Amino acid sequence: AQTVTQSQPEMSVQEAETVTLSCTYDTSESDYYLFWYKQPPSRQMILVIRQEAYKQQNATENRFSVNFQKAAKSFSLKISDSQLGDAAMYFCAFLSNFGNEKLTFGTGTRLTIIP
Amino acid sequence: KAGVTQTPRYLIKTRGQQVTLSCSPISGHRSVSWYQQTPGQGLQFLFEYFSETQRNKGNFPGRFSGRQFSNSRSEMNVSTLELGDSALYLCASSLAVPKGGYTFGSGTRLTVV
Repeated sequence: AQTVTQSQPEMSVQEAETVTLSCTYDTSESDYYLFWYKQPPSRQMILVIRQEAYKQQNATENRFSVNFQKAAKSFSLKISDSQLGDAAMYFCAFLSNFGNEKLTFGTGTRLTIIP
Repeated sequence: KAGVTQTPRYLIKTRGQQVTLSCSPISGHRSVSWYQQTPGQGLQFLFEYFSETQRNKGNFPGRFSGRQFSNSRSEMNVSTLELGDSALYLCASSLAVPKGGYTFGSGTRLTVV
């Protein structure tokens, strides 16, 4: 079974600064997908970024980028030029590519943006 | 394009009752999954349906059940409600194979009193 660990329950960052959220995972599989989801107070989980394990290049979506270290089983999220709208809970999630269509989530990191 | 729609948004039920939650996926999405979110246990997978068939099931008691209709809409049912069933229930939809990630609805907040 896979596990996902987010060791930072809370983080804060000044507006316009950069922040990195950490995520580690444990799996014996070699083919999988990793995601970062954002959950604002509206409750809807919003997909921020995805990474395919067999792609070495780190994914980037505008101000969001990841640092994917497959050997270390690490998948951190970097948010550049933080904005007030980035304030939310952020969840790291794992998805196997072997027919088990189930997301395994970490416990989340609450990100606060300081104006 | 409409997103994933969950109804109702809020629900209050009494212990021992049963409840049915509804989820309409994005048009064209045939896979629907359900997750339970609580402060203590976090996000936990309940089950996943594809083409009216349950493909995967999480580790929940048999009081939790679901189904999917031919139009891909899904319902989940919880019978004999317990106080511990109070949670946010999230529905997510995807194409047949969710490699692009799931799209979630805004959830149903269930409170059992």
